[in-house]
Amino acid sequence: SQTIHQWPATLVQPVGSPLSLECTVEGTSNPNLYWYRQAAGRGLQLLFYSVGIGQISSEVPQNLSASRPQDRQFILSSKKLLLSDSGFYLCAWSVTRKSSGNTIYFGEGSWLTVV
Amino acid sequence: DQQVKQNSPSLSVQEGRISILNCDYTNSMFDYFLWYKKYPAEGPTFLISISSIKDKNEDGRFTVFLNKSAKHLSLHIVPSQPGDSAVYFCAASARGGSNYKLTFGKGTLLTVNP
Repeated sequence: SQTIHQWPATLVQPVGSPLSLECTVEGTSNPNLYWYRQAAGRGLQLLFYSVGIGQISSEVPQNLSASRPQDRQFILSSKKLLLSDSGFYLCAWSVTRKSSGNTIYFGEGSWLTVV
Repeated sequence: DQQVKQNSPSLSVQEGRISILNCDYTNSMFDYFLWYKKYPAEGPTFLISISSIKDKNEDGRFTVFLNKSAKHLSLHIVPSQPGDSAVYFCAASARGGSNYKLTFGKGTLLTVNP
């Protein structure tokens, strides 16, 4: 069966510091990978998605970047965090099926507080 | 432009009764719809989905209804249990080049009272 893990689960970072959140998926090949953010009182906002190694699409201009160095690894980064980067970050995966809809499965989430 | 809308931020229901969560969409290209359940500080969990070729899909206590002409879907939970208390997100995707992306609503907080 497929599993997804992301880490760290919680972190508190000062403004201006760098960020690295990691995510790995097991049990599937060539998944679509996603980074979502849930800010306080808001819905789920898609930040980045990737359909293959080295292929990254950004949905929202921001202070963050994403990379996919391996097929089942997705990394969310920032060189200098802003207070507005605080939130709950979710990694997710899916497998595209032409004959049916695309169900996305989420990781456990990472709480980021920028102070 | 919010393409998926959940107009009720919260809903309170008595245990054993029916919970009805509603969702509206504006993009006529959406053809696949999903419901997710989310507890605080956890990732959303996939609950149930429906394709646009159907108007109903049932899985245990959960049933999703789709009204394409009204661009409306709903999730029914019968009977409701205290453990169902969570935020429920509606999501949609469109067939074609971007069908790997889901658009989410802002969620509805369901509280099931014992």
